[in-house]
Amino acid sequence: DIQMTQSPSTLSASVGDRVTITCRATQSINNWLAWYQQKPGKAPKLLIYKASSLESGVPSRFSGSGSGTEFTLTISSLQPDDFATYYCQQYNSYSPLTFGGGTKVEI
Amino acid sequence: EVQLLDSGGGLVQPGGSLRLSCAASGFTFRSYAMSWVRQAPGKGLEWVSSISGSGDSTYYADSVKGRFTISGDNSKNTLYLQMSSLRAEDTAVYYCAKSHASSGFLYDSWGQGTLVTVSS
Repeated sequence: DIQMTQSPSTLSASVGDRVTITCRATQSINNWLAWYQQKPGKAPKLLIYKASSLESGVPSRFSGSGSGTEFTLTISSLQPDDFATYYCQQYNSYSPLTFGGGTKVEI
Repeated sequence: EVQLLDSGGGLVQPGGSLRLSCAASGFTFRSYAMSWVRQAPGKGLEWVSSISGSGDSTYYADSVKGRFTISGDNSKNTLYLQMSSLRAEDTAVYYCAKSHASSGFLYDSWGQGTLVTVSS
């Protein structure tokens, strides 16, 4: 199985901050990496796919980069609506599909 | 607008069975792979199962293989997850998810989730 490790698990930040979250895979997943945002009691929302492609309707302050085994999600200027938990997901292999453990972005 | 409505969750005893449903609208159901993803209380996301749009191919996490069955009814635009031999560790919110146009294992729309609690 491909394991996905996110860091940090919790991140304290302020409005306007530049925030970076890292996701590492135990083997190469090429660019088959997605990022989701989840707020309490809500379903996840797709932000980024194929490592760096912005999903339609997602603000441009979100960006993704990386390839192989190391990836980052960057929020260029944190907004009040961005306080949430973020998950990476590899979809290089469906045997099985795997998510990172999550990064909670808090005030 | 894509809408996914999850239902069927509830309290069930260990060893029991439950069937979850996901009513889909706003897209051509048979053209997209669909999946179930779960989230235990206070924990992260765990992929459970996927089915191709045609229904010909199904995929399962090892943790549910042999106990859960995914299926779809294209005439009703509804996805199902039949769960049997339930265990305490199956307690979670279960989300159905629609695949993205670019990949069958990437999710661009999710249901609101339905809570399954396995307890005596």
